[in-house]
Amino acid sequence: SQQGEEDPQALSIQEGENATMNCSYKTSINNLQWYRQNSGRGLVHLILIRSNEREKHSGRLRVTLDTSKKSSSLLITASRAADTASYFCATDDSGYSTLTFGKGTMLLVSP
Amino acid sequence: DAMVIQNPRYQVTQFGKPVTLSCSQTLNHNVMYWYQQKSSQAPKLLFHYYDKDFNNEADTPDNFQSRRPNTSFCFLDIRSPGLGDAAMYLCATSRDRGVFDEKLFFGSGTQLSVL
Repeated sequence: SQQGEEDPQALSIQEGENATMNCSYKTSINNLQWYRQNSGRGLVHLILIRSNEREKHSGRLRVTLDTSKKSSSLLITASRAADTASYFCATDDSGYSTLTFGKGTMLLVSP
Repeated sequence: DAMVIQNPRYQVTQFGKPVTLSCSQTLNHNVMYWYQQKSSQAPKLLFHYYDKDFNNEADTPDNFQSRRPNTSFCFLDIRSPGLGDAAMYLCATSRDRGVFDEKLFFGSGTQLSVL
């Protein structure tokens, strides 16, 4: 199975700024999902984008998907200190039936 | 609230001493997963149950086993823990498998230390 790769590995911003994280993957997918993980806790699902979708919004989150480049981005607008967490992309490979996670981007939002 | 519960939150074991981690769910989901996550790394799938059907990942060591006695419970057994098995173990569920919109619901994890 493949693994998504997030970029950057770590991101530090001020409250109110936007945060953009990128994910690249290797093979065809059915969908791509983003999850959030607070330190020492489990993952929480944020948003899912299907392979035939190009953009999706949920509150302050905006996800784009470019299947020709095999990449996705997660934008968090007007970030808050409470957004401090690690963010993982996960792909549901078209040939498999389970999710494979990337290494994650650690986001630090300073007040 | 419907949820995925993992016990204990922290587990300390000795090198070579068998240990069992537990997971329960009230979501009535068909699929239960065990992921291993080492510090600053991606969660790595160890195995999953689709109902009673056990699916082992090819690179999961034989030292790791799992049981699912009923829909609600799933256990991770580590027969002879080594220092390299120290990690966060995450249980997750999904309603189904291989369906386009399936998302995972995670427990809070069990942090395993091996002394």
